[in-house]
Amino acid sequence: RKEVEQDPGPFNVPEGATVAFNCTYSNSASQSFFWYRQDCRKEPKLLMSVYSSGNEDGRFTAQLNRASQYISLLIRDSKLSDSATYLCVGANAGNNRKLIWGLGTSLAVNP
Amino acid sequence: DGGITQSPKYLFRKEGQNVTLSCEQNLNHDAMYWYRQDPGQGLRLIYYSQIVNDFQKGDIAEGYSVSREKKESFPLTVTSAQKNPTAFYLCASMGTGNQPQHFGDGTRLSIL
Repeated sequence: RKEVEQDPGPFNVPEGATVAFNCTYSNSASQSFFWYRQDCRKEPKLLMSVYSSGNEDGRFTAQLNRASQYISLLIRDSKLSDSATYLCVGANAGNNRKLIWGLGTSLAVNP
Repeated sequence: DGGITQSPKYLFRKEGQNVTLSCEQNLNHDAMYWYRQDPGQGLRLIYYSQIVNDFQKGDIAEGYSVSREKKESFPLTVTSAQKNPTAFYLCASMGTGNQPQHFGDGTRLSIL
């Protein structure tokens, strides 16, 4: 089992829709998580950090469920510009300061 | 502005040639990372460094080498031993504590 797993999608949704991605992790000792977005042929950019139960920033909400070991990302009122790949990342619980990257979920928002 | 600078943006390698990708950061971050990304694939860790003059192999270190002589700089050399170097190379840095990684805008390497 991969340490961080995501549904690869693609998710195709109309503009204005609400879409949710789930990400599961296997290391129960992981302390912090991040969501990044990556546009085609670009570098990943930080969308949100999740250190406790969740975080909200405008149309984006992340929730962390430690009991079930998953993190979700909810996008409300989807825009065309939200089309991208969304990467779920967990901080390794050890001292080596590595991040464990999911393979990403592809989102296409259609007009 | 603080950030991470990778150069060049595009690089072409001939058979049997070593090439070096530059990564410089002015964020005063201790940790730096090199990733490789193939089309449609996820990020794979090549090497990382937690402190000056120290670095560790990641998951796919074969055919690559790094140095960390200065805090700001973490160059990656793709050696001739790396038989399939064509990929998108991303450099990242990270501050102390449970901080996220910040990325440069990448170098695309191709074989001539």
